[in-house]
Amino acid sequence: QSVLTQPPSVSGAPGQRVTISCTGSSSNIGAGYDVNWYQQLPGAAPKLLIYDYNNRPSGVPDRFSASKSGTSASLAITGLQAEDEADYYCQSYDSTLSESGVFGGGTRLTVL
Amino acid sequence: QITLKESGPTLVKPTQTLTLTCTFSGFSFSSSGVGVGWIRQPPGKALEWLGIIYWDDDERYSPSLKTRLTITKDTSKNQVVLTMTNMDPVDTGTYYCAHSWMTYFDSWGQGTLVTVSS
Repeated sequence: QSVLTQPPSVSGAPGQRVTISCTGSSSNIGAGYDVNWYQQLPGAAPKLLIYDYNNRPSGVPDRFSASKSGTSASLAITGLQAEDEADYYCQSYDSTLSESGVFGGGTRLTVL
Repeated sequence: QITLKESGPTLVKPTQTLTLTCTFSGFSFSSSGVGVGWIRQPPGKALEWLGIIYWDDDERYSPSLKTRLTITKDTSKNQVVLTMTNMDPVDTGTYYCAHSWMTYFDSWGQGTLVTVSS
């Protein structure tokens, strides 16, 4: 059981907006550690999607954005496309885990 | 362009020690802030952060696996080695190495599937 909690699944129709939450605590997200997001397409290695709160690597469309408030973070995807169907993971660090990293449990996005 | 590739055994027996090598190119440990981490993923399950080694030799490990893990680097060979002792079938999964810049993994290897079975 991860210290970062994500919903197991979310879904949306093409063109819609979906959000994926990542709920932590005062020892990780609430402590100010960066929250990063990764996308894992079926059968592929994870890919960095958002880093340092809300920065996108080159090549990631601006349909993807992130936010943070208190002990939680969220990933938003607008203009949903079929190619967005994947697993999404949040990642941060935790002071109670000797400042080691931690991933959320992952969220499967289904495009209806 | 940063590339990383994991190599090592695909099958290990219970109680054995796993040694995986991550061979990389496109960066070096001479840059402040650089690290190489290891992440694993059991079949059909979530990613698990295992550990990381930084440019200054600082090492961090998952507390739940700390007693079993060692990560070392060989800068002359552009390699990072993960050693995990006392392997168990629950350790079966795909093991990834990844380049870390500050707090995030921005380049990943393709992963290598390790099966633990007698």
